[in-house]
Amino acid sequence: KAGVTQTPRYLIKTRGQQVTLSCSPISGHRSVSWYQQTPGQGLQFLFEYFSETQRNKGNFPGRFSGRQFSNSRSEMNVSTLELGDSALYLCASSIGQVDYGYTFGSGTRLTVV
Amino acid sequence: AQSVTQLGSHVSVSEGALVLLRCNYSSSVPPYLFWYVQYPNQGLQLLLKYTSAATLVKGINGFEAEFKKSETSFHLTKPSAHMSDAAEYFCAVSDQRGNQFYFGTGTSLTVIP
Repeated sequence: KAGVTQTPRYLIKTRGQQVTLSCSPISGHRSVSWYQQTPGQGLQFLFEYFSETQRNKGNFPGRFSGRQFSNSRSEMNVSTLELGDSALYLCASSIGQVDYGYTFGSGTRLTVV
Repeated sequence: AQSVTQLGSHVSVSEGALVLLRCNYSSSVPPYLFWYVQYPNQGLQLLLKYTSAATLVKGINGFEAEFKKSETSFHLTKPSAHMSDAAEYFCAVSDQRGNQFYFGTGTSLTVIP
């Protein structure tokens, strides 16, 4: 059974640009969440989608957005990149039950220069 | 609101010694608790989870954790450390809808040969 796939693995962007990250969940998983991981702030919740609807959103500026498609694949977009957006972005998928837990992808390492 | 506190950002143990990683939670309702492990440049892997069944939970790679409501704790243990256990460990609590995880700040485990 394939795991959670995130593409690309590494990305270098210039300040002011925008970026789109992709996540393909485990087959049958309808919930996809995104987290930002940095050495200073740790793991911070960005948003969660279930059946194409955003169910929950973390405390990030509007430059961070996401969406989920009918096949449960999800994308995350960051516009007007800032140096502080450099981080490991992790996608996680679940069947959507509260006690199931999430399976994480390997992440996309974004570096903003 | 849920939160978790991991005591000790760095823990060092000798190979073959007991591993004890501490996690205390704060939750106004019965929580769902998880331990994840992260190896360098990888995503998070689920070690084990507590979902209100047995209070002693066994996970992968010989790890286990005990839910103690009176102490609001969910400490992770392993009787005998192996070199391959060196990694970052995260405790997490799920909100009641399962839409979001609240992660601790992580504990970096070093195993000394």
